[in-house]
Amino acid sequence: AQKITQTQPGMFVQEKEAVTLDCTYDTSDQSYGLFWYKQPSSGEMIFLIYQGSYDEQNATEGRYSLNFQKARKSANLVISASQLGDSAMYFCAMREGMSNNNDMRFGAGTRLTVKP
Amino acid sequence: GAVVSQHPSWVICKSGTSVKIECRSLDFQATTMFWYRQFPKQSLMLMATSNEGSKATYEQGVEKDKFLINHASLTLSTLTVTSAHPEDSSFYICSARGGITNYGYTFGSGTRLTVV
Repeated sequence: AQKITQTQPGMFVQEKEAVTLDCTYDTSDQSYGLFWYKQPSSGEMIFLIYQGSYDEQNATEGRYSLNFQKARKSANLVISASQLGDSAMYFCAMREGMSNNNDMRFGAGTRLTVKP
Repeated sequence: GAVVSQHPSWVICKSGTSVKIECRSLDFQATTMFWYRQFPKQSLMLMATSNEGSKATYEQGVEKDKFLINHASLTLSTLTVTSAHPEDSSFYICSARGGITNYGYTFGSGTRLTVV
């Protein structure tokens, strides 16, 4: 069963506007971590932001913030003041549990295009 | 910060030959290495998890005799695609567990494999 769901295959946003990329997840673990990565056309995975399941505050990293709604099992990424360089694929991922062996599973991704 | 060097960044090989991809953690000990495959316009799919000194654990549907993983040291893991065929053409990327940055997951830069 798909554990990470990203329902937006593609999104467009005007430069300097904010955009929200959706992510929902499914787990029965109490301890888990949620990640967002940016993947430009070069293929590298660029870490953006992390939210732990026990974190009470929403994570923020510069222009990135994570809207964490635990009861709804959603972890949406908000990018403020979009820039042309933000155009890329964005992946939501989850790690269940805290063991070093615990892998990370990815959603299908959202392609964000920032329009000038 | 934690760095994983992945080589080669791209490779073209003939059908039937084998290709080795290396991931080396440069400034930390990678206790666990995850190998992912990404087909064009798709997400990252976990292939296998390897721990130093032990056999890799493969995901369902991944042929362990075709995708040989060796994690002989805490700084080096290799993925060998044996008897490669055009359908093995893909983007392969590793993720090392053990660094102190990015919440413990450090990705290599990926390898684009084309089998002709």
